[in-house]
Parts: sequence; structure tokens; C-alpha cells
Amino acid sequence: KNEVEQSPQNLTAQEGEFITINCSYSVGISALHWLQQHPGGGIVSLFMLSSGKKKHGRLIATINIQEKHSSLHITASHPRDSAVYICAVRSAQKLVFGQGTRLTINP
Amino acid sequence: DAMVIQNPRYQVTQFGKPVTLSCSQTLNHNVMYWYQQKSSQAPKLLFHYYDKDFNNEADTPDNFQSRRPNTSFCFLDIRSPGLGDAAMYLCATSRDAGRSDTQYFGPGTRLTVL
Repeated sequence: KNEVEQSPQNLTAQEGEFITINCSYSVGISALHWLQQHPGGGIVSLFMLSSGKKKHGRLIATINIQEKHSSLHITASHPRDSAVYICAVRSAQKLVFGQGTRLTINP
Repeated sequence: DAMVIQNPRYQVTQFGKPVTLSCSQTLNHNVMYWYQQKSSQAPKLLFHYYDKDFNNEADTPDNFQSRRPNTSFCFLDIRSPGLGDAAMYLCATSRDAGRSDTQYFGPGTRLTVL
């Protein structure tokens, strides 16, 4: 079993839908990252969380330390949000990555 | 402005022919990381430098080496690429290695081995 599990692995939705991507982890962490990777490879850091909730534009990330669970929400989704979203946790000074969620938003 | 730059973006090499991938950063960060990401898989840390201190992951093959001649540059050398080394190679930096340090990723170099 992976130390970081994401669900779903693939998600297809229509433009405008509310999107939720989940991340569960089994190790002790000091921080959790949500990353976005577009086709072509480059990774962009969206959020770093150690507690609570953060919001940036249409993106919201939450974390529940007790339940070892985090969610990434996208409101009013748009085709340009199509990408792979990766959850990564910082554990013992290393990043441990989930397998990613491939999100496709259709117009 | 690009903060973590990787060159080239696409690299084709032949089986067994040494290849070097380059990463540079304008952030003056202490830590530089090299990750390997194979198709549909999560990135896998190969090694990282904290300043000049090299930290190799236990399962990184000996075929992979790295150099950091100065703060700004870090190189990944693959001495004898095999077909299984075809992947996206990602460079990242962070100011420090502590819990509050975000990693900044470069655009990656996609390596093809013929």
C-alpha cells in the first residue's frame, strides 16, 4: 500500500462543475503539498498546508491532521484546469508523492 | 521570470551513450533535487544537494550521478542510459530542507533512449 493514496485516479467533468480530489496518507507529516502538472511535465506548487484550510482563487485545499486526509476543491471548473493533480507529503525531510489524479474538464 | 530552468527540454540519446541534464536556478536556494518520473507514475527522488552536501537515495542506481559546481547549477549525469531510464527528469529547489519550505519545480527534461 502506498504511503500517499489519491482518489479518484481519473476524473472527467463538465465545465462549471465543482471538483473534489482526495488524498489520504499513512505516515507522520510536517506538511502536505498540492501540485499541478500539465502535459509537457512542469509542476507548479498550488498549496502547502500543515493545518486547516487555504484558498487561492477558485482553488481550496483543506487538511484534517487527525484523520490524515486532505482535499483539493475546484469551484466553477474550466477546461484550463485540466491537468494531473498530485498530493505530496513532507515526511522525514522528503516529499512522498501520491500517484496523481488526472482531471479532464470538458467544455 | 523563470526561476528553475532545465535544459534541454527534450533529450534523445542512444542506449549506453552518456547524457547530461542541466538545471539552474535564480532563487539562490540551498537545496536542489533531482526526480525521475516515468509515465503515469509519481516522481521519484533520486538525490538532492543541501549546499554542497550530496544526499543519495538508497535505491538510486549507480548509473545516475550528480554534480553541483555552484549554488545556481546542478547536473544529472546518466553514465550508460538504458531503455528503462527513459522518463521525465524534474529538478526542484527549496530555500531550506525544513518543514515550511516549498519546493519549486522546473519544467522537466523528457529523456528518450533509442
